[in-house]
Amino acid sequence: NAGVTQTPKFQVLKTGQSMTLQCAQDMNHEYMSWYRQDPGMGLRLIHYSVGAGITDQGEVPNGYNVSRSTTEDFPLRLLSAAPSQTSVYFCASSYSGTGNFYGYTFGSGTRLTVV
Amino acid sequence: AQSVTQPDIHITVSEGASLELRCNYSYGATPYLFWYVQSPGQGLQLLLKYFSGDTLVQGIKGFEAEFKRSQSSFNLRKPSVHWSDAAEYFCAVSNTGGFKTIFGAGTRLFVKA
Repeated sequence: NAGVTQTPKFQVLKTGQSMTLQCAQDMNHEYMSWYRQDPGMGLRLIHYSVGAGITDQGEVPNGYNVSRSTTEDFPLRLLSAAPSQTSVYFCASSYSGTGNFYGYTFGSGTRLTVV
Repeated sequence: AQSVTQPDIHITVSEGASLELRCNYSYGATPYLFWYVQSPGQGLQLLLKYFSGDTLVQGIKGFEAEFKRSQSSFNLRKPSVHWSDAAEYFCAVSNTGGFKTIFGAGTRLFVKA
């Protein structure tokens, strides 16, 4: 049971480049989310999904796209990288049994630097 | 809008001493409340959660937290801190569905020998 797997672990991009951060979970969780973590700011929600084919915006969605074609995968796309997107990105998943939310399982993160 | 405040950016305690990390939240309805821990270079791990019922909840690694509705607080406690508890701790609040979980800025715990 791998849990939540994020790739790559590290990435350096040039301003204007695009890339996709991969996230996969093998727990059959319906909820998946992307967060970015910046010093002193905690984690901020970028996008989330409540099931395959359903996504919505979080607190800081600008410059990012997501899709959820399968339950397992939730990739995050940076359309045109900017230095302000330098951050650590976390993917998380959860299930919601009997109407309750049981908290997230997090991946180990992707450290992205945009130069 | 929901929000979470962790008033202490960092706290230093001696090994074996008790610990309390503060968390205040703002939410219009009954919140779902969580504490997570993050070791350096790692992802976050869920310590405990509160939905309803008993306001004192037990978590992993000997941690507990108490929900106080009147104070809008959900403070994390541990009676005796171990050096391995040094990490960053995040309080979080979510809506009923859980898919809009908002995190506080975190409190970094240092443990001195």
